[in-house]
Amino acid sequence: QSALTQPASVSGSPGQSITISCTGTSSDVGAYNYVSWYQQYPGKAPKLMIYDVSNRPSGVSNRFSGSKSGNTASLTISGLQAEDEADYYCSSFAISSTRVFGGGTKVTVL
Amino acid sequence: QVQVVQSGGEVKKPGASVKVSCEASGYILTDYYMHWVRQAPGQGLEWMGRINPNSGATNTAQKFQGRVTMTRDTSISTAYMEVSSLRSDDTAVYYCARGRQLSGTSRKFDIWGQGTRVTVSS
Repeated sequence: QSALTQPASVSGSPGQSITISCTGTSSDVGAYNYVSWYQQYPGKAPKLMIYDVSNRPSGVSNRFSGSKSGNTASLTISGLQAEDEADYYCSSFAISSTRVFGGGTKVTVL
Repeated sequence: QVQVVQSGGEVKKPGASVKVSCEASGYILTDYYMHWVRQAPGQGLEWMGRINPNSGATNTAQKFQGRVTMTRDTSISTAYMEVSSLRSDDTAVYYCARGRQLSGTSRKFDIWGQGTRVTVSS
């Protein structure tokens, strides 16, 4: 199972919106509505931000939203803030009940 | 408070095995799948496998089949992952993460352990 494809880095100014893409195949992202997104600060454990493509857990800011089209899922952060600077990973359910992660995207707030 | 707490860091020699524990509290271990994810230094997240703590059934990523064993002890609400025949490229932080509720449909890793650093060095 190959890793999902994410851009290595995305940047934006405070207040702007940015979108991180996550491209898979018809065996993972395209086949199931089970894409999730995680935020990770250096030296810390990942934190769930979005699950099942577009659902936000309790306590996660509504500035974070998710979507999917075909084999590509996306995470959008609106009203970018300094605290959003972190690494972001997508994950998808895949065949045989396995999981696959993206390579990660470093978000920089300019 | 719902949490999973992992065992401490380990230093192992190549060829040895390591067993990492993950104790669940604030919820019933057997009600949710438990997944294992690792992260090599400076690298991304890598899914290793999952265990159904109720039945003991496991799914392991093809890359780790034959070298990774996931078990659980329901009497102490603890899941375990053992990696054998360690190599230097197994040096990583290993995480346990709570997955889907057995009776649910949402696929997510909603509760993560603090991570266990495993260093493989001669």
